[in-house]
Amino acid sequence: KAGVTQTPRYLIKTRGQQVTLSCSPISGHRSVSWYQQTPGQGLQFLFEYFSETQRNKGNFPGRFSGRQFSNSRSEMNVSTLELGDSALYLCASRLARTGWTDTQYFGPGTRLTVL
Amino acid sequence: AQSVAQPEDQVNVAEGNPLTVKCTYSVSGNPYLFWYVQYPNRGLQFLLKYITGDNLVKGSYGFEAEFNKSQTSFHLKKPSALVSDSALYFCAPAGFQKLVFGTGTRLLVSP
Repeated sequence: KAGVTQTPRYLIKTRGQQVTLSCSPISGHRSVSWYQQTPGQGLQFLFEYFSETQRNKGNFPGRFSGRQFSNSRSEMNVSTLELGDSALYLCASRLARTGWTDTQYFGPGTRLTVL
Repeated sequence: AQSVAQPEDQVNVAEGNPLTVKCTYSVSGNPYLFWYVQYPNRGLQFLLKYITGDNLVKGSYGFEAEFNKSQTSFHLKKPSALVSDSALYFCAPAGFQKLVFGTGTRLLVSP
């Protein structure tokens, strides 16, 4: 079974631009979560989507948004990029049958650099 | 609210020696606990999890973890470290609708 895939793997943008990151979950997985990883803040939860609905959201500004499609693929968008948005963005998927007994599997991440 | 602590930023161990990476947690309700490992410029790889049952959980690559409810700990262990085990390790209890990640512990195994 293919793992979680993320595209692109690397991205360079300038301040003020916007960016869209894509995530394809493991086949059959209905939940997709996004995390931001930086050296200073560690791993921070952005949001989770399940059946095309945002189920939970972390403490990030409204510039960060996402969506999930009917095939469970997900996109994350960051508008008006700031230097501090430079990070590794990780996507993770799980079956989400009941609670959190299912394992969350991570993709390789998208490295975003904002200049 | 769920929280987790990994008290050591870095653990150094010689190859062949046993290793322990510490994790303590605070959750409401039944704890679901996970360990992940991250190699440079890679995503997180799942190592093992505790859901219920035996307090000693065995996982990938020879790692195991011991769940201790009274001490609210879930320490990661391996009997004999390999240089290739050098990586960043994360403990994560399951909170409300999300995993809550610790700050990570860098494991450095010297030859």
